[in-house]
Amino acid sequence: GQQVMQIPQYQHVQEGEDFTTYCNSSTTLSNIQWYKQRPGGHPVFLIQLVKSGEVKKQKRLTFQFGEAKKNSSLHITATQTTDVGTYFCAGPKDSNYQLIWGAGTKLIIKP
Amino acid sequence: KAGVTQTPRYLIKTRGQQVTLSCSPISGHRSVSWYQQTPGQGLQFLFEYFSETQRNKGNFPGRFSGRQFSNSRSEMNVSTLELGDSALYLCASSSRLTDPGEQFFGPGTRLTVL
Repeated sequence: GQQVMQIPQYQHVQEGEDFTTYCNSSTTLSNIQWYKQRPGGHPVFLIQLVKSGEVKKQKRLTFQFGEAKKNSSLHITATQTTDVGTYFCAGPKDSNYQLIWGAGTKLIIKP
Repeated sequence: KAGVTQTPRYLIKTRGQQVTLSCSPISGHRSVSWYQQTPGQGLQFLFEYFSETQRNKGNFPGRFSGRQFSNSRSEMNVSTLELGDSALYLCASSSRLTDPGEQFFGPGTRLTVL
């Protein structure tokens, strides 16, 4: 069945280092969404990418959607403690009424 | 606009019991989805309702059921609880009609089964 794989599962970084999470779909996606879940919180929508090759920036966050619309990445420059949390990607299932979610990448800032 | 609300926030049950969780979507949102989240796991899709109709169902046993009312509020029910049902149950609403769109999540109900 349709799957969305996300790597890595965890990433430990020193504050100030960069962070990247990758998302790969088994099928072409019409769009891809990214969410952030803070510890103890609920997922919060960050962005939706729709176009092939699209790149969008939100301050220190850069989102990319692959040319084939099967992969995506989120890159955070110079991480801060406020970036701690789990980042999820999600894409519409073939039926279109349901999102298929990646397992998430947990960003951990080393003390 | 008020956000998505879920009640109760915390629940402790014993094996074999049943539980009903409630979700009130953002005003005007007609799509409500339910997810199960366990530690270290992503979001596992349970089902999605739109205008009182279940449009999609995930791979969960029949013990998990849901419904949506005419005011778009939704409930999910889990019967014959098992230890493995302990999880955070999240609901999310969307204003979109024909595709998932941006999901607005509630704070979740944390269910513990003893």
